[in-house]
Amino acid sequence: EVQLVQSGAEVRKPGESLKISCKGSGYSFTSYWIGWVRQMPGKGLEWMGIIDPADSDTRYSPSFQGQVTISADKSISTAYLQWSRLKASDTAMYYCATNVLPDQNWFDPWGQGTLVTVSS
Amino acid sequence: DIQMTQSPSSLSASVGDRVTITCRASQGISNYLAWYQQKPGKVPKILIYAASTLQSGVPSRFSGSGSGTDFTLTISSLQPEDVATYYCQKYNSAPRTFGQGTKVEIK
Repeated sequence: EVQLVQSGAEVRKPGESLKISCKGSGYSFTSYWIGWVRQMPGKGLEWMGIIDPADSDTRYSPSFQGQVTISADKSISTAYLQWSRLKASDTAMYYCATNVLPDQNWFDPWGQGTLVTVSS
Repeated sequence: DIQMTQSPSSLSASVGDRVTITCRASQGISNYLAWYQQKPGKVPKILIYAASTLQSGVPSRFSGSGSGTDFTLTISSLQPEDVATYYCQKYNSAPRTFGQGTKVEIK
């Protein structure tokens, strides 16, 4: 079964750093791009960026370029989303997602989501 | 970058009604368009890809159409379990932008 399992909920203070993870299993991790999606409380889905785990080629949405860093460690089949200095506005649910069908770039499956709360 | 605009932002319809949601791309995207359903507190779920291909296991009352810039998601007979927010997404190239969502409720 193709599965993405994300790390647990996090609570941080503004200005702190954070790295959340997304572990893939049941498929060839280096063969398919993985993306990250933000959902702020009560709001819609926002596409943040994607990474090719094979060579760490990364594409960002202009809205998130310079605000977050997407990375991957293919040796442990895990993708990451990190912040160097969190802001209260980073409070959101974050999903990772991929697609394991050749040449298909819509998202299925999705991870279960990681809730990030940034509050002083 | 290409913008995706959905309409309406919300709708209320009766059980059994035909419901139509529209998604418009600011530039042509061929048929690289997906539709997702997100129920409250749940992970988004793919309904339709390639504008009109129903994902396995999705009820046949859901259908999609369109190409280029204008796309439609139709629920032929609205059911109580269809209460959710629906999103379109372009995926021809990065950024693979989502529409802002359409919230569907039962009247």
